[in-house]
Amino acid sequence: AQKVTQAQTEISVVEKEDVTLDCVYETRDTTYYLFWYKQPPSGELVFLIRRNSFDEQNEISGRYSWNFQKSTSSFNFTITASQVVDSAVYFCALPLDQYNFNKFYFGSGTKLNVKP
Amino acid sequence: DAGITQSPRHKVTETGTPVTLRCHQTENHRYMYWYRQDPGHGLRLIHYSYGVKDTDKGEVSDGYSVSRSKTEDFLLTLESATSSQTSVYFCAIRDRENTEAFFGQGTRLTVV
Repeated sequence: AQKVTQAQTEISVVEKEDVTLDCVYETRDTTYYLFWYKQPPSGELVFLIRRNSFDEQNEISGRYSWNFQKSTSSFNFTITASQVVDSAVYFCALPLDQYNFNKFYFGSGTKLNVKP
Repeated sequence: DAGITQSPRHKVTETGTPVTLRCHQTENHRYMYWYRQDPGHGLRLIHYSYGVKDTDKGEVSDGYSVSRSKTEDFLLTLESATSSQTSVYFCAIRDRENTEAFFGQGTRLTVV
């Protein structure tokens, strides 16, 4: 069965600190996708990244980076030099299978508080 | 920003009353979804649609029905609201296979 675990319920950091949000997944599939979404205080969910299991290279986008490790079934998200605007709830998600993006399994989310 | 509008944005209703939430999109996307968000559960899929009049159940569909008579509108109905349906409801849309979904701003529903 598909499952996503975000064990960190809430994290608080001071601005400019680096922070890593953990995502551990379970899947029966050999090919799969993983997603991260951000939910700022305004409420809407914002798509951040999608990765395919074939590509284990780290992804970097500005201050954001993602570390995909199949050996530990993890897809962790790191924010470098955090800013107050990074304060949000972050969700990791896994589709039902590589052919069916109609059913997603979301983790319970990690709330990140970045203090000035 | 994806053209998704949810209405109403906030609603308080009494137990036992019917409630309909509307999701309207201007993107002409094929797929539309209704999720609910509750503390400790992340987002859970209620129902989704893969075309006009084509819908299917998600993992928490009991007590909910949906309808899609036009590409742009996807309605979620609580036939007889219960307190357990107090939640934040999100609509999402998706264009084609293997692409990400875009979410609306959510509807906060309180059943008293």
